[in-house]
Amino acid sequence: DIQMTQSPSSLSASVGDRVTITCRASQSISSYLNWYQQKPGKAPKLLIYAASSLQSGVPSRFSGSGSGTDFTLTISSLQPEDFATYYCQQSYSTLLTFGQGTRLEIK
Amino acid sequence: QLQLQESGSGLVKPSQTLSLTCAVSGGSISSGGYSWSWIRQPPGKGLEWIGYIYHSGSTYYNPSLKSRVTISVDRSKNQFSLKLSSVTAADTAVYYCARETYGDYAFFDYWGQGTLVTVSS
Repeated sequence: DIQMTQSPSSLSASVGDRVTITCRASQSISSYLNWYQQKPGKAPKLLIYAASSLQSGVPSRFSGSGSGTDFTLTISSLQPEDFATYYCQQSYSTLLTFGQGTRLEIK
Repeated sequence: QLQLQESGSGLVKPSQTLSLTCAVSGGSISSGGYSWSWIRQPPGKGLEWIGYIYHSGSTYYNPSLKSRVTISVDRSKNQFSLKLSSVTAADTAVYYCARETYGDYAFFDYWGQGTLVTVSS
């Protein structure tokens, strides 16, 4: 299995802050990395695919970067609706795996 | 706009079989370039991919669940289904169905709203 490890597990930030979440794969996954946002009681929502491609309709304050084993999700200026849990997911292997999640909370 | 809707029993007894269906609307489940997955999330925990079925009908399951999982498709009803046998309390989770778009890259772009399944006697 390819293990996906996110850091931090939780994060407190304020509206307007720049936030970065990191995801590390246990082996190289090229750019086969996706990011999702999940709000309480809701299904995950695709934000970024192929490490850095913004899904249609997702605000441009979200961006992704990285390749190989190290990836980042950046929110350039936090908005109130961005407080949620974020998951990375690799699609390099047939066995699809997710990171454990990063909970973004209001400071 | 594609929509996915899970349905099935919300309460299953230990050792019995969990059965869920995902109805797809706004698009055909037989279209190429997509696979159809089940993903679960235990209360307060992260996401676990269970398995998928391709438009061709071929399947792939998470090895950790493979001996207990069956995913099938009913093209006439435009839906796909999950059966998980010999359930225990550890199978209590919100179960999501999702579409994976694949090409150069693959990602889950449409999800159902999720359905909570509780395993309890």
